[in-house]
Amino acid sequence: EPEVTQTPSHQVTQMGQEVILRCVPISNHLYFYWYRQILGQKVEFLVSFYNNEISEKSEIFDDQFSVERPDGSNFTLKIRSTKLEDSAMYFCASQKDGGANYGYTFGSGTRLTVV
Amino acid sequence: RKEVEQDPGPFNVPEGATVAFNCTYSNSASQSFFWYRQDCRKEPKLLMSVYSSGNEDGRFTAQLNRASQYISLLIRDSKLSDSATYLCVVNILKTSYDKVIFGPGTSLSVIP
Repeated sequence: EPEVTQTPSHQVTQMGQEVILRCVPISNHLYFYWYRQILGQKVEFLVSFYNNEISEKSEIFDDQFSVERPDGSNFTLKIRSTKLEDSAMYFCASQKDGGANYGYTFGSGTRLTVV
Repeated sequence: RKEVEQDPGPFNVPEGATVAFNCTYSNSASQSFFWYRQDCRKEPKLLMSVYSSGNEDGRFTAQLNRASQYISLLIRDSKLSDSATYLCVVNILKTSYDKVIFGPGTSLSVIP
């Protein structure tokens, strides 16, 4: 079964450092998403991406965050200057098309710990 | 009112029991609905879509009531492996893309 792959599985970084979280979506999928989940809390939407541009972003996705699809394969989330409160599980998801009837396939996540 | 609300649980049930989870959503423009399950510290995995007429997949039955903006999931003959958090997910159709909102989840523990 096709998978969404995320690397690294766990990243520890110092406050103020930049991190890049990587995702390889399913190859024939067209819509891509980043979500995060702070430990013990609900899954929160960060950003959706289609046709090489952001479709929508949440209030969490401020100027410190950016996304890119540099090579048509990888889909990255960059946090420019990490804060303690950025510590969370970050999930990438992809969807074959934007039709409302398709669920998402999630990657196994990157656990980001900011110290 | 929160966009998607669920019974927080936890639900602790014996093996073989039937358990039902409820979910309500606030946006009447919601287009489609899903149940996901999430194991501890793992990614959410799609369990089933929820159709207007109701649908069943083995021991799992999902119902949708658009008038009441209510979704349910029924699990029959609970197994130990059903222990997880069940996430109600609502998809709001925007002009050219979808916005997906996750509920906070309901925790289920199936006890031997």
